[in-house]
Amino acid sequence: GNSVTQMEGPVTLSEEAFLTINCTYTATGYPSLFWYVQYPGEGLQLLLKATKADDKGSNKGFEATYRKETTSFHLEKGSVQVSDSAVYFCALTTGTGRRALTFGSGTRLQVQP
Amino acid sequence: EAGVAQSPRYKIIEKRQSVAFWCNPISGHATLYWYQQILGQGPKLLIQFQNNGVVDDSQLPKDRFSAERLKGVDSTLKIQPAKLEDSAVYLCASSSNQGGGKAFFGQGTRLTVV
Repeated sequence: GNSVTQMEGPVTLSEEAFLTINCTYTATGYPSLFWYVQYPGEGLQLLLKATKADDKGSNKGFEATYRKETTSFHLEKGSVQVSDSAVYFCALTTGTGRRALTFGSGTRLQVQP
Repeated sequence: EAGVAQSPRYKIIEKRQSVAFWCNPISGHATLYWYQQILGQGPKLLIQFQNNGVVDDSQLPKDRFSAERLKGVDSTLKIQPAKLEDSAVYLCASSSNQGGGKAFFGQGTRLTVV
């Protein structure tokens, strides 16, 4: 079956620090990969996605590269801001996107001024 | 574009009572999902509808949970009777057939069973 493993949090960083949140996966078939973000008091929002090997998804300064050889999709940002404080979820779907998302357990990021 | 609407936002019930949640997906989205998110965990799929048909309900505890999507639009998720371990946030999401797996989520209903 499908599964996603994320690094445990919380991750606490100072403003302008470099961020990496690790994500690895196992999947039956060829998955599409996603990062979703949940800001305090808000619903889950898509942050970025990648649909094939070596694709790089990017949005709001965040990036993640689809690495098929290491089955990974690590999230990175060069300089975090206090407003990036949220819970980040790595997720995947298979079956050309017709199947439901499988999520990791989430990583809480706290950015201090 | 209006997002996915869910109600109520919060609900507190006693164990063995029943409860229902409502979801209105984004207009035109054929696929609707219900997820359960227990505190500190990622969302877990309960049931997936394609129009008004069930695609996947393998994770739904059918002895107490039920869901329907009449007319392929709105959906209702019911729990009867509730247990303490059902305390969670219940998320509704929808996606279009052309979305490539991208799902749009509602804000969720936080259920507390006491």
